[in-house]
Amino acid sequence: QKEVEQNSGPLSVPEGAIASLNCTYSDRGSQSFFWYRQYSGKSPELIMSIYSNGDKEDGRFTAQLNKASQYVSLLIRDSQPSDSATYLCAVYNTGTASKLTFGTGTRLQVTL
Amino acid sequence: ETGVTQTPRHLVMGMTNKKSLKCEQHLGHNAMYWYKQSAKKPLELMFVYSLEERVENNSVPSRFSPECPNSSHLFLHLHTLQPEDSALYLCASSQNTRDVYGYTFGSGTRLTVV
Repeated sequence: QKEVEQNSGPLSVPEGAIASLNCTYSDRGSQSFFWYRQYSGKSPELIMSIYSNGDKEDGRFTAQLNKASQYVSLLIRDSQPSDSATYLCAVYNTGTASKLTFGTGTRLQVTL
Repeated sequence: ETGVTQTPRHLVMGMTNKKSLKCEQHLGHNAMYWYKQSAKKPLELMFVYSLEERVENNSVPSRFSPECPNSSHLFLHLHTLQPEDSALYLCASSQNTRDVYGYTFGSGTRLTVV
């Protein structure tokens, strides 16, 4: 079983719609969860972090965490063409490996 | 510019060559990392340094040799690479190895082994 799983996509949404990106993880001891955005040919950029169950909102982005289900998601409201990128889910457990474990990423395409 | 600078941005090397990748961070962080990103695979952690001391080596082949002369600089020395080593090599830094706030990545070096 992969440690962090994401659907590779591409996920295609029309401009103005809500994009929903999902991630599951296998390590129940994971404590911190991150979403990185990576444009083609560029490095990953941290856009959201979440540490406790529930929702966390930042502008058009909302991260959702459900530790019981080992599930974390990212919602992008009012999607823009500039949101087209690969979104990487990353999970951190300070108790074991003390490192970020990444998923393969979901490619998002926002169409006009 | 993220505060983590990698050079070169692109590198093409033959299998018998020796080259080095360089990473420099201006964030005052104490931990630095090398990651490998291949197509359709998750980011793979290669090496972790904390205060210039290597704290993790994830079974990386010896043809990759890291060096961390101080907390601001990190190198990855390459020799006798294979074509499957072609990938994007990313350097990252964080306040420390137990930093739960995420890492800052450099722009990466796109390596092609011919």
